[in-house]
Amino acid sequence: EAGVAQSPRYKIIEKRQSVAFWCNPISGHATLYWYQQILGQGPKLLIQFQNNGVVDDSQLPKDRFSAERLKGVDSTLKIQPAKLEDSAVYLCASSLDPAGTQYFGPGTRLTVL
Amino acid sequence: AQTVTQSQPEMSVQEAETVTLSCTYDTSESNYYLFWYKQPPSRQMILVIRQEAYKQQNATENRFSVNFQKAAKSFSLKISDSQLGDTAMYFCAFMATNAGNMLTFGGGTRLMVKP
Repeated sequence: EAGVAQSPRYKIIEKRQSVAFWCNPISGHATLYWYQQILGQGPKLLIQFQNNGVVDDSQLPKDRFSAERLKGVDSTLKIQPAKLEDSAVYLCASSLDPAGTQYFGPGTRLTVL
Repeated sequence: AQTVTQSQPEMSVQEAETVTLSCTYDTSESNYYLFWYKQPPSRQMILVIRQEAYKQQNATENRFSVNFQKAAKSFSLKISDSQLGDTAMYFCAFMATNAGNMLTFGGGTRLMVKP
């Protein structure tokens, strides 16, 4: 069974630029999560989708971050404009249902200069 | 709100020996799950073990076992016969089933297995 796929693996941008990350969950997983992991810390949930609907986006900085999961499968997370403090690893995870175990992708390391 | 605390930022163990990583949590929820995830330098977060709070029996997965003390809100991970491949960051995580199923992670413990 294929795992959670993410791209790109690395991205370096200047502050105030925009960037987008892509995630493809495990086939059949209805729930998808985006986490932000700052160096030296545990991951922090940004947004949770159930199929193509948002369940929880209370910790998403909505003035600059946006995410979508249009067909209930793949998802994109966008940052516009980026700030220095957005430098982090962005992890995507999926689960069969909201109570299920979450399986993580390899992450995208973002560096904002 | 839930909090998860890992009080050991770094630990080391000799190959083939046993090590225990500590985790405590704070919650008012009665129905929840606890997890240990491993994150090697490759960054892939890998599930090590999962414990349902309603189960009294401690979960075990091969060389990995937990000591779940519900009253004390403690959830430690024991790694037996440590291997070099166990070197990684280990994160304890909490998920309340009545609170949106959000995973709350601790700050992590960096484990180094020495040959």
